[in-house]
Amino acid sequence: AQSVSQHNHHVILSEAASLELGCNYSYGGTVNLFWYVQYPGQHLQLLLKYFSGDPLVKGIKGFEAEFIKSKFSFNLRKPSVQWSDTAEYFCAVNARATGRRALTFGSGTRLQVQP
Amino acid sequence: EAGVVQSPRYKIIEKKQPVAFWCNPISGHNTLYWYLQNLGQGPELLIRYENEEAVDDSQLPKDRFSAERLKGVDSTLKIQPAELGDSAVYLCASSLEGQDSDEQFFGPGTRLTVL
Repeated sequence: AQSVSQHNHHVILSEAASLELGCNYSYGGTVNLFWYVQYPGQHLQLLLKYFSGDPLVKGIKGFEAEFIKSKFSFNLRKPSVQWSDTAEYFCAVNARATGRRALTFGSGTRLQVQP
Repeated sequence: EAGVVQSPRYKIIEKKQPVAFWCNPISGHNTLYWYLQNLGQGPELLIRYENEEAVDDSQLPKDRFSAERLKGVDSTLKIQPAELGDSAVYLCASSLEGQDSDEQFFGPGTRLTVL
């Protein structure tokens, strides 16, 4: 069974700082990879996704993520964070070959951006 | 486009009482998921429906949990009887089969508190 690890549980940054959130998954086959964001009081929203092609994926609000297959990683980045990026971020994987279309999520990273 | 609708948003019950959650997916989405999200954790799949058929319910505690998706549209998740450890957020998501990326759209969730 696949699993997802998010190394940072709580990150505190000042506005304009650069962000990188780690995500590693364990599954040897083909995967779809996702980052979801949950703003305070709101539901989970898709930030970006990777399923094939260019391993550098750009999402909404200036976020991007890079799929490195050899490292089983899909780290999320943003060059300059804003206060409005304060939220919880979840990495998720779907192992396509298994036919199990449900997502396996990491435990999440709480990002706090200080003005 | 209307999103995934869930009700109620909050529910407080005493242990051993029954409780039910309702979900209406995005129109046209044939796949429906129920996830459980404990505090500080990522969502975990309880059950997945393809139309009206439950195709992945391996994580559903069948002694007390049940679900149905009559007519392949909206769905109900029930717990009877509820236990203290069932306090969590219950998320519903939907997706459209055939999309390579398997993007799932989430509802706002139902926050259950069992006293």
